[in-house]
Amino acid sequence: QSALTQPPSASGSPGQSVTISCSGTSSDVGAYDYVSWYQHHPVKAPKLMIFEVSKRPSGVPNRFSGSKSGNTASLTVSGLQADDEADYYCSSYAGNNNLVFGGGTKLTVL
Amino acid sequence: EVHLLESGGGLVQPGGSLRLSCAASAFTFSNYAMSWVRQAPGKGLEWVSALSSSGGATYYAESVKGRFTISRDNSKSLLYLQMNSLRVEDTATYYCAKASLSSSWYISFDYWGQGTLVTVSP
Repeated sequence: QSALTQPPSASGSPGQSVTISCSGTSSDVGAYDYVSWYQHHPVKAPKLMIFEVSKRPSGVPNRFSGSKSGNTASLTVSGLQADDEADYYCSSYAGNNNLVFGGGTKLTVL
Repeated sequence: EVHLLESGGGLVQPGGSLRLSCAASAFTFSNYAMSWVRQAPGKGLEWVSALSSSGGATYYAESVKGRFTISRDNSKSLLYLQMNSLRVEDTATYYCAKASLSSSWYISFDYWGQGTLVTVSP
């Protein structure tokens, strides 16, 4: 069982928006603004999409955005494209030099 | 372009040992903390261990503490993970990952390798 809870699946049609949640506790997501999101296409290296809750690395389209409210973080993908179909993982610093991940969400573009 | 290449995975019996390596290129390796993250078949990602840029500070997940040892050779831009007393539940693809910031290992990982598969089976 993963430390952070994500829905196992999410889907949307091309052009639509989809939001993926990442539920933690007051000891991880709620305590620190160190939530990251990673995109993982099978057989490829995971890719950083969002860091520090809502910051985008250079090269990541602004269609990807992150937010946090309380113990829950969210990743929103707007203007869905076929290439967005992948697994998405959230992570959060949990204090005491510990990092926790979510179980992952498989995003399907219909 | 930053590149991380893991090697050393394979099939090992329970109780056995294995050493993973990660060769880094195209960035100043000695300036950044590095981590190992694993993914068991059909499961999510799990952080395993992290190491400061100098190698002086190490951090481990409870699940591997006392069995795994992380180290680095900054002169060769290499990261290692020595895995002892392996268990069936250690079966996973192991990724090395570069810290995004030189000041902290846990903020985020901006580059990952493609992973190396470790299978622990009788």
